[in-house]
Amino acid sequence: DAEITQSPRHKITETGRQVTLACHQTWNHNNMFWYRQDLGHGLRLIHYSYGVQDTNKGEVSDGYSVSRSNTEDLPLTLESAASSQTSVYFCASSESGQVDEQFFGPGTRLTVL
Amino acid sequence: SQQGEEDPQALSIQEGENATMNCSYKTSINNLQWYRQNSGRGLVHLILIRSNEREKHSGRLRVTLDTSKKSSSLLITASRAADTASYFCASGGSNYKLTFGKGTLLTVNP
Repeated sequence: DAEITQSPRHKITETGRQVTLACHQTWNHNNMFWYRQDLGHGLRLIHYSYGVQDTNKGEVSDGYSVSRSNTEDLPLTLESAASSQTSVYFCASSESGQVDEQFFGPGTRLTVL
Repeated sequence: SQQGEEDPQALSIQEGENATMNCSYKTSINNLQWYRQNSGRGLVHLILIRSNEREKHSGRLRVTLDTSKKSSSLLITASRAADTASYFCASGGSNYKLTFGKGTLLTVNP
């Protein structure tokens, strides 16, 4: 069955370190999204991609970057982790077309000390 | 922020009762979606209603949309303990992006 996976599921890092969160989908979807979820804020869009070599900034993109070298993967990089980036991160994908239901991964809980 | 709002923030009911959650959004939409999130898990899509639709049903779920008021409601009938979760509305434009609300935490007591 097609799925979307994230790794690691839990990560503890120190302020200033570079961190990369992986997202891999086997739906063959063109669209991929990264969100962060914080208490009181719901889900906020960080970056998104409509296809290979395409990346776009979302609502809260400062301090984050993504790259899309193939259809299946959209890794999220925190260039220099800050305590404010402690959060739960979700990756999602959707098909291009009439229906834009998004399929979510299980999430990565990141703690920046 | 372009986020919408769900109302109420938390709802506690007894098994068998109906649960109604409301959602408001801020910009014009192509569709409105509802998602469920169980504790510690990712979001799962429940139902989508397009901007030219007013009501949609799926099993025990009923969604309404009022584009003039920029609002939607989700009704879960005959609730079960397994319906305990957070519920999010998400407004969709023409660019595949979704703007999520802050969610309603539903607790169904056995």
